[in-house]
Order: sequence, then structure tokens, then C-alpha cells
Amino acid sequence: ETGVTQTPRHLVMGMTNKKSLKCEQHLGHNAMYWYKQSAKKPLELMFVYNFKEQTENNSVPSRFSPECPNSSHLFLHLHTLQPEDSALYLCASSQLTGGGQPQHFGDGTRLSIL
Amino acid sequence: AQSVTQLGSHVSVSEGALVLLRCNYSSSVPPYLFWYVQYPNQGLQLLLKYTSAATLVKGINGFEAEFKKSETSFHLTKPSAHMSDAAEYFCAVSDDGGSYKLIFGSGTRLLVRP
Repeated sequence: ETGVTQTPRHLVMGMTNKKSLKCEQHLGHNAMYWYKQSAKKPLELMFVYNFKEQTENNSVPSRFSPECPNSSHLFLHLHTLQPEDSALYLCASSQLTGGGQPQHFGDGTRLSIL
Repeated sequence: AQSVTQLGSHVSVSEGALVLLRCNYSSSVPPYLFWYVQYPNQGLQLLLKYTSAATLVKGINGFEAEFKKSETSFHLTKPSAHMSDAAEYFCAVSDDGGSYKLIFGSGTRLLVRP
């Protein structure tokens, strides 16, 4: 496999459920990112991990809990979400943090909260 | 603070016509600039990037962009639109001040008429 793989591609959950999104990158990168993409809003950076350490939490509600066990894997644990959390969640990776490094994106998980 | 403005949330062209998607940026330091494309139900794919080596940057799928410092612009062009170019296009900026963030514009949806 190559690139950035996200699973599942689609997820429907109730507000009281607990679920996790998974991201895996096969590019040898050491920085990983979670973004939220909502309709009619700019792409929102949620979390950044660099060498497995979280370096940014962009004021994300605690009902979103990221985990980065190694540089190749990134998870987003979800619990007691709200309807406004319905969105496309994108994972990305880059070789290094810092300017000029392009980020490579997965195809996203389309999340729908009932 | 850095910012990106994409003029026009929707652009419609005829097949074979010139494509011009506008991007203006604001940055206090020399920027790195990127164009990404997003096809339906997919993540963002890097089209091209500017990292100060040359002001005219060629990307994939026949796209190119020109960095104009005096106009703080990085417009994306393609001489002849193809139906397969229909997608959403995002301009993004980062700086070289140690920031790993990509600041994205709000996107421009390109429609190609037969």
C-alpha cells in the first residue's frame, strides 16, 4: 500500500456512541495531522503530531481524543458527539513539520451524527 | 498573521477554455504556497507548490501557477479545461518561521461545461 489510508470511509453514529477513526501512512513521514472539513467552511486543523508527540491542539472539544502510537498511525477517538460534528475528517502526513513541506492527505472519513 | 483569499467560490468555464483560479495571500515573511485539488469523495491532492526556486511553477495535469510578490498573488491556470478538471481547488500558505501549519483558503469549485 502507498499513501495515506483512512478507515472507515463512512461512519454513522448516535450521539451516545463511542467510535474511532484510523489513519495509516506508508510514506515514512514523521508528522501527522487531523483536519475537519465541513460544508461551506474552510478546512480546520484539529491536531498535529510530530514524532508521536502532540504539538498542536487547535481548541478542539474534549469529545475528540487523538492518539498517535507511532509515526505511521493516528487515531481519533470519538464519544458523545454533537450533530454539528458531522463532517469529513481528513488525515494528512508530511515528512517534517516546518514551512515548505507538502502534506499528503487520505480520502477522509465521512461522519454523520444522528 | 497569514491568510489566504480565494476569489470566487465557483468558477464555470467551457471545455477547452482557459482556467484561471485566483489566490491572494498575506504573509509577513516569504511564503511557501500550495495548490491542492479535491475530487468528490476524495481527500486533497497536491497540484503544485512554490518554494522560491522559480516564480512560475508547473504542476500535475497541465496546471501551473505564477508567484507575483508585488501583487501577493499565486493564481492557478490551465490553458485548456477538460471535463475531468471539475473539482474543488484550494490554495494554501505556510511560512518558513518554523510553522508547520498550512493555512487554507475557502476553496473554489470549478465547473466545466461541455
